[in-house]
Amino acid sequence: DTAVSQTPKYLVTQMGNDKSIKCEQNLGHDTMYWYKQDSKKFLKIMFSYNNKELIINETVPNRFSPKSPDKAHLNLHINSLELGDSAVYFCASRPGTVAYEQYFGPGTRLTVT
Amino acid sequence: AQSVTQPDIHITVSEGASLELRCNYSYGATPYLFWYVQSPGQGLQLLLKYFSGDTLVQGIKGFEAEFKRSQSSFNLRKPSVHWSDAAEYFCAVGALSGTGFQKLVFGTGTRLLVSP
Repeated sequence: DTAVSQTPKYLVTQMGNDKSIKCEQNLGHDTMYWYKQDSKKFLKIMFSYNNKELIINETVPNRFSPKSPDKAHLNLHINSLELGDSAVYFCASRPGTVAYEQYFGPGTRLTVT
Repeated sequence: AQSVTQPDIHITVSEGASLELRCNYSYGATPYLFWYVQSPGQGLQLLLKYFSGDTLVQGIKGFEAEFKRSQSSFNLRKPSVHWSDAAEYFCAVGALSGTGFQKLVFGTGTRLLVSP
């Protein structure tokens, strides 16, 4: 009965490759997010979707493209991976009834070599 | 712009001792404040939140936090720390993006180490 799930949990790839991370939530929330946590544990928002519509794009490089096929899923595709993309990526969702509160997935650790 | 400062990068506490983690925020209006915990290799779990009303809020796992508007602080406390509390703790404030939608702005986190 996992609330917010992500796949894969670990992802190791080489520079220049293209990879995707998937996120699914079974909470019935309308809004979903992608966050990046760098090596110093700093968490920063990347994108947010509300009911399949992009509502937040925090000046992320064009190599990152989120896609939301339905309101329960939010995927993150990364083209031409760079060393600096190595990080933990967290998906989160937010209920429309509670301001700002978010529920996070377990994270995907991406390592680019 | 809204921001959160957690001045302590690391804190070591003996098991059974009390704990206080500091958080200061920058926000013009009444803030929406949160504390999350991240155990090693895990995602973030919501410990507690403050929206309005009573300035002392209770959370899960025996944690509480006090909102002090005059000090722009939202410090997290626990009277007796357990070894399982060793984790990274993040304070966050609700903010609006440039497009007017809700997001969270996080502090840089405080790593709690628990000594036997």
